[in-house]
Order: sequence, then structure tokens, then C-alpha cells
Amino acid sequence: EIVLTQSPATLSLSPGERVTLSCRASQSLTNFLGWYQQKPGQAPRLLIYDASNRAAGIPTRFSGSGSGTDFTLTISNLEPEDFAVYYCQQRGYWYTFGQGTKLEIK
Amino acid sequence: EVQLVDSGGGLVEPGGSLRLSCAASGFSSTNAYMTWVRQAPGRGLEWVARIKSKSDGATTDYAAPVKGRFIISRDDSQNTLYLQMDSLKAEDTGVYYCTRELSDSSGPRHYFQYWGQGSLVTVSS
Repeated sequence: EIVLTQSPATLSLSPGERVTLSCRASQSLTNFLGWYQQKPGQAPRLLIYDASNRAAGIPTRFSGSGSGTDFTLTISNLEPEDFAVYYCQQRGYWYTFGQGTKLEIK
Repeated sequence: EVQLVDSGGGLVEPGGSLRLSCAASGFSSTNAYMTWVRQAPGRGLEWVARIKSKSDGATTDYAAPVKGRFIISRDDSQNTLYLQMDSLKAEDTGVYYCTRELSDSSGPRHYFQYWGQGSLVTVSS
């Protein structure tokens, strides 16, 4: 099983700031990694697939990068609606998710 | 507009059974890879089961914790996905989401693009 480790577990930031979330895989994924956003009481929303491709309708302030075992999700100029939990997901060998990073308002 | 509506959740005793349904609209689920993903209370996300598109053989795959106990199926005439859950355990408790995988000209991309609202399953005596 491929294990995804996200860091940090929690981040406290203010609207307007820039944030980078990390996801590290236990083995190489080439670029087979996605990112999701989940707000309380809602289903997750796909943001990024194949490491750097934005899903349909996702604002350009969300960007993804990385390859192999190290990946990042960057949100530039945080909006109030961006405070949520973010998960990474690999599709290199079946499907597994990271444990999530909670982005909270400072 | 693509829509997935989950139903069938509830309270069941350990060892019992439950069948979840996911009504799809705005597309034909026959031509899509459909998946169940669950989330234990206050926890992260876990893939449960997948059924491939009919053109790819409609084969099914399961995560190790549910293999042999859960069955994913699809009724093409009703455009509905199912998850039959037997021999339920306390650790199966959570919200179960029906999803449709992202697909483009390259075929299925194995990311979860569309999600239902989720069905809560509670396994407890």
C-alpha cells in the first residue's frame, strides 16, 4: 500500500496570505496525485489532478506541483471560503488518501 | 448537470446488512467508472470499491478491509449504483459517498470528480 503523509496537520493563516501544503508518498507516483478540498458537512471537491492540472471550475489561485514522492498544493491570496481540510490522493496503485491538512483562520 | 444522490444509510447491528443506493442523473453511469469512498467520523477518506465502465468490462475491485463482505453493482436501466454491505463491523461506521471518476479523451483518470452528498452508516448494538 502506498502511504501518503501530509504536513502540517493544521495551519493557521489570514485571508490574503499565500499557503503551501505538502504531501509525501512512500514510493514514487510519477505525477499520479490529486488534491481535494472538504468543508464541514460537505463532500470533497476535486481541485487538482495529475499533480498540476486544475479541475474544471477551480480558481487559478489553486496550483499544484511536484513529481515522484514530493508534491505541493499552493493557494495564493487566500479567500475566506478557502479555509477547509485538504486531502491528497494517489492513483498510482489503487487509491489512497493522505490524512489531511486543516487550514484554519488565524 | 451531473448529479449523484446517495441513500440507504442507517443504524445496523454488528453482523447485519445494508444496501446503499446512488441515483445518477445527467450522464449514463454505464459509461463511467463509479466508486464508493467512505469517511469514518472525524477521520480521513478511504476508497471502498470500484466498478469499471461497461466498455471496460464492468469489472469490480475492492479495498482489502471490505473484500468478501461488500459488493458493488450497477443497474443500467435505473442508472443507479449500489453497495451491498454484509457482515458489518463497527469499523465500517461512517459516511459513504458515491463518486464518478474524472474522464477525458485519454479515458478514466482515477480521480473522483463528482460526489454524492453521502449516506451515514452506523454499525452499533
